[in-house]
Amino acid sequence: SSELTQDPAVSVALGQTVRITCQGDSLGNYYASWYQQKPGQAPVLVIYGKNHRPSGIPDRFSGSRSGNTASLTITGAQAEDEADYYCNSRDSSGNQVLFGGGTKLTVL
Amino acid sequence: EVQLVESGGGLVKPGGSLRLSCAASGFTFSNYNMNWVRQAPGKGLEWVSSISNSGSYIYYTDSVKGRFTISRDNTKNSLYVQMNSLRAEDTAVYYCARDRVGLEFDYWGQGTLVTVSS
Repeated sequence: SSELTQDPAVSVALGQTVRITCQGDSLGNYYASWYQQKPGQAPVLVIYGKNHRPSGIPDRFSGSRSGNTASLTITGAQAEDEADYYCNSRDSSGNQVLFGGGTKLTVL
Repeated sequence: EVQLVESGGGLVKPGGSLRLSCAASGFTFSNYNMNWVRQAPGKGLEWVSSISNSGSYIYYTDSVKGRFTISRDNTKNSLYVQMNSLRAEDTAVYYCARDRVGLEFDYWGQGTLVTVSS
C-alpha cells in the first residue's frame, strides 16, 4: 500500500515508557524517520535511519523496525515530550515521500 | 547555524497563483536535496515536492502534479515553488525542509501560510 498508518492518540504516565508505531508496506524496505511537532512549531527530526538521533535529541528517544512496522520508543517520558509525532518514509517506488497521519502523545 | 526562512504566503482566490520562496543559510545549499511539506489547519503533514541538489530530479505528490512547480537557485541559496490553479484544499502552512539524506528532513523552516478562499 502507499500509506503509513499511525494510532491517532497514545498516552503515557510521566516517567514510563511508550511506543508509537507506524505501519506500511514500504517499511519492509526503507527505514522510517520520526518527527516531533509541538503546537505552533515546525516539526523536529528525532530519529532517522536504523536508530540514529540528531544532535540535541535526548537518548530516551529510540527507533526500531520489525517487518512492516517502525516504532519510536520514549523511555522515561517527560512532560516536554507531549507532542504530535509523525513517521515518514519512501513509498514503494522510492521516489515519493509518505507521512503517517500522526500520533498525539499525552503525558499524564 | 542552519536557517530556512519561507516567504510568499498569503490569501489567494481559487484558481489563483502564488510563488513561495525559501531562503537557506548556514550550510552549503547546493549539496542538499530540498523539499516542500505542507500542513492543513489541524491536520497532519503532507509531502508536496522534492528537488535534488542539482535540480535534475524533481518529484511531486499526485494532488499537485501539473499545478505546482518546484525549482531552486543554488547561486542564491533559494528554493521555490510556483503554485498555480490553487484550490481550497491547498490551504496550509507550507514548510521547506532540508533532506539530510534519504528523505530524512533534518531542518525545517518556520512555515508560511497559504489560504485559498474567495
